Amino acid sequence: NAGVTQTPKFQVLKTGQSMTLQCAQDMNHEYMSWYRQDPGMGLRLIHYSVGAGITDQGEVPNGYNVSRSTTEDFPLRLLSAAPSQTSVYFCASSYSPDVYSYEQYFGPGTRLTVT
Amino acid sequence: RKEVEQDPGPFNVPEGATVAFNCTYSNSASQSFFWYRQDCRKEPKLLMSVYSSGNEDGRFTAQLNRASQYISLLIRDSKLSDSATYLCVVNRSNFGNEKLTFGTGTRLTIIP
Repeated sequence: NAGVTQTPKFQVLKTGQSMTLQCAQDMNHEYMSWYRQDPGMGLRLIHYSVGAGITDQGEVPNGYNVSRSTTEDFPLRLLSAAPSQTSVYFCASSYSPDVYSYEQYFGPGTRLTVT
Repeated sequence: RKEVEQDPGPFNVPEGATVAFNCTYSNSASQSFFWYRQDCRKEPKLLMSVYSSGNEDGRFTAQLNRASQYISLLIRDSKLSDSATYLCVVNRSNFGNEKLTFGTGTRLTIIP
């Protein structure tokens, strides 16, 4: 199993550009999430999905869109990049039969710089 | 007040020593608790879940105190490979992952 994969690893964007961060998992997990990690702040949830066709907003959704057309893929789209979106982005997936044994599997991250 | 608070450190500890971290959470409705480990410029990985009765995994012991709303992690006989940032994670949800809150992490460096 490849686990959770993310592309690209690094990206530099100019303000106003749009792009899609790709995320895929091959573990047949129902839950998938996108987080951003900034210095001095914990990982913050952007959007999440509890299954194909179902998405919802997390803590910091503004400026981002997601879709979940398949169980495997969960792309994150930046609509119009802003310097405040400079961050490390992690995709995660999980499966758990109960709330006490969740393990989130994270992808290797995408380091995004917006100039 | 932050939902999950951790001492950011850094903790610089000699090899072989015992080190303990605490984490406090503000929402008494929190359901489940975890410690994740994050190496420099890498993704977080689950270290251990934290159960009400306390649990141990080798050199690592996790404790939960619901009355005082804190979680602790104890590392015994520390190794150089334990150097990392340790993230405290709290789940407020009864059935999903959408209410996970991550602490900012405690940075640990083990000194030879």
